[in-house]
Amino acid sequence: DGGITQSPKYLFRKEGQNVTLSCEQNLNHDAMYWYRQDPGQGLRLIYYSQIVNDFQKGDIAEGYSVSREKKESFPLTVTSAQKNPTAFYLCASSIKRGSYEQYFGPGTRLTVT
Amino acid sequence: AQSVTQPDIHITVSEGASLELRCNYSYGATPYLFWYVQSPGQGLQLLLKYFSGDTLVQGIKGFEAEFKRSQSSFNLRKPSVHWSDAAEYFCAVGISGGSNYKLTFGKGTLLTVNP
Repeated sequence: DGGITQSPKYLFRKEGQNVTLSCEQNLNHDAMYWYRQDPGQGLRLIYYSQIVNDFQKGDIAEGYSVSREKKESFPLTVTSAQKNPTAFYLCASSIKRGSYEQYFGPGTRLTVT
Repeated sequence: AQSVTQPDIHITVSEGASLELRCNYSYGATPYLFWYVQSPGQGLQLLLKYFSGDTLVQGIKGFEAEFKRSQSSFNLRKPSVHWSDAAEYFCAVGISGGSNYKLTFGKGTLLTVNP
C-alpha cells in the first residue's frame, strides 16, 4: 500500500536532548512537509522540501532542522534550542512542486520532560 | 499574507441533523481550497478540494462544499450527520500562482455528534 509512514507514534525525551522524527513515503511524491499541531492552533508549517537536496523554512523553523537526501525520506530533528517541543508532529507530501494537494502521515506525538 | 478563519471552535449536532462548518479566507486572487478531517490522534484526511469550475464540490463521506467568491467563503456541508463524523475539521487555502506552494490552515472546528 502506498502511503506516508511516521515513526514512532509516541516519543519521549528528556529536556536538552535532540530527537529525530522519521517520515517516509512510497508515493513517489516530490514535495514533503513538516507541521506542528498544538491544541487550538491548527497546523503550523515548520519546513518543506519541494525537491531532493533542497528545503525551505516554514513559519516556525527555529529550533528545528531537516534533511532531504532521498526522495522518500524527510526526517525532522527537534533540537534542544526548541523552547516548547512537546507537540503532535505531522508529515505530509504532495505529488510535485506546484501541487497544493497534500497527503498526511499518522503523526508522532513528542513529549519532552 | 493570506489567512483562514474558522469562526466556530466547537459545534455540537444531533445524529441525523444537517451540518454546516464555516470557512472564510482573506486573499485577493482565486485560491485553491481544501477541507481536511482529523480523528483524535490521527493524521489528516482530505475530504474535498476546489481549484476552479463548478463552485459546488462533492467529497468523500457525503460531504460537499460551496465556494462563494463574493463572500470569500468555502463552507462545508452534510445533509445528515452520522456519529462517525465526530472529528476535527480543518479548512486550508493555497495561493494560485504563488511560488512557494504552501497551504495555510484554519485553527479547526471540533464536531461533536450527540446520539
